[in-house]
Amino acid sequence: GAGVSQTPSNKVTEKGKYVELRCDPISGHTALYWYRQSLGQGPEFLIYFQGTGAADDSGLPNDRFFAVRPEGSVSTLKIQRTERGDSAVYLCASSLRGGGPYEQYFGPGTRLTVT
Amino acid sequence: EDQVTQSPEALRLQEGESSSLNCSYTVSGLRGLFWYRQDPGKGPEFLFTLYSAGEEKEKERLKATLTKKESFLHITAPKPEDSATYLCAVQAGNDMRFGAGTRLTVKP
Repeated sequence: GAGVSQTPSNKVTEKGKYVELRCDPISGHTALYWYRQSLGQGPEFLIYFQGTGAADDSGLPNDRFFAVRPEGSVSTLKIQRTERGDSAVYLCASSLRGGGPYEQYFGPGTRLTVT
Repeated sequence: EDQVTQSPEALRLQEGESSSLNCSYTVSGLRGLFWYRQDPGKGPEFLFTLYSAGEEKEKERLKATLTKKESFLHITAPKPEDSATYLCAVQAGNDMRFGAGTRLTVKP
């Protein structure tokens, strides 16, 4: 595709529910990143995939958060037992290669609201 | 711990009034410093990558410079369409660490 796409654009869920957020990276990009952005702050790193494997998941805040990229393209960020503090914009980015420093191209984000 | 501090938090300019945005950083083993532009409700849009002190890059009305401790984004004769939040990020390992951004408003 022309750019990174993310679905849904908005997600409202109740506290305690499970959610999945999807990212479709730029075709041919082997590296994929997930970030979380709170209002008035810059994006905060969550996890980095090189191909199908999670090369660095040091930014995941706790074990309620999990991400997969089974075929090395589309990725899904999964959040279990959501809490109100999980409310934020979740951004996905891809780059041609991983290991840096290569420019990352961001999607429009998914705005998650936990009520 | 890697840190990125951007100043000012917000900047209001008149159209044509040039200014600079600052990004101060503390990082072990800088591999790259990035500037992004973010419009409301959208993801960050890549502007520049700087790799080493002394490097400069330009694009239209924007010019980015880098020293060992900070980077500047110079905006020359800005237009209202330059209004956005400008984010700075550093990369030492696998991830990018972002500052909180400078929210720029350019009035006609």
